[in-house]
Amino acid sequence: GQNIDQPTEMTATEGAIVQINCTYQTSGFNGLFWYQQHAGEAPTFLSYNVLDGLEEKGRFSSFLSRSKGYSYLLLKELQMKDSASYLCAVDYNQAGTALIFGKGTTLSVSS
Amino acid sequence: GAVVSQHPSWVICKSGTSVKIECRSLDFQATTMFWYRQFPKQSLMLMATSNEGSKATYEQGVEKDKFLINHASLTLSTLTVTSAHPEDSSFYICSARFDRAFQETQYFGPGTRLLVL
Repeated sequence: GQNIDQPTEMTATEGAIVQINCTYQTSGFNGLFWYQQHAGEAPTFLSYNVLDGLEEKGRFSSFLSRSKGYSYLLLKELQMKDSASYLCAVDYNQAGTALIFGKGTTLSVSS
Repeated sequence: GAVVSQHPSWVICKSGTSVKIECRSLDFQATTMFWYRQFPKQSLMLMATSNEGSKATYEQGVEKDKFLINHASLTLSTLTVTSAHPEDSSFYICSARFDRAFQETQYFGPGTRLLVL
């Protein structure tokens, strides 16, 4: 199978920085998505990494190492509204195929 | 703004009835759409891949005769849950892939919450 592993839960305080890790099998890898999902809502797109390195988008950054089968999502200056589930999803094989999702990391931000 | 829409957002139906869910891509053509299902506190599980003008590809364990998918145009895919039962109650989400600024992206619809009584 194509296992995608990420921590189940994380907690942090407002203003802090948190890193959510994701590991995956590298065979057939095409790219990796990060999504944010609030309870009762559909996922919203955060980032898509194809090449190695860090991509920054405001308070959110995503890193990818293809050789290591590893990615992380970095959230800076945490806000209460960042409390959500963060889903790592891998794009295997080729365009037109569906994503394989990790089980998600539930992030709780407290004041 | 939203690039993928779904209708309806909420459905409550009696056991044995059929429910149709529409997924539309807005302002772009999606040759491939995907249907996912999500049970409470679980991750998204792919049900099927919907290709315009051809039969859908179903994941293992998903009954194709129960979950009918039609992708009649480049902007519309429908999922029909036939003879729905309480165990079919779930959050159904569609998604569509497209290229924007040379970056492939997949966007999700807002989801349809189905409750079968």
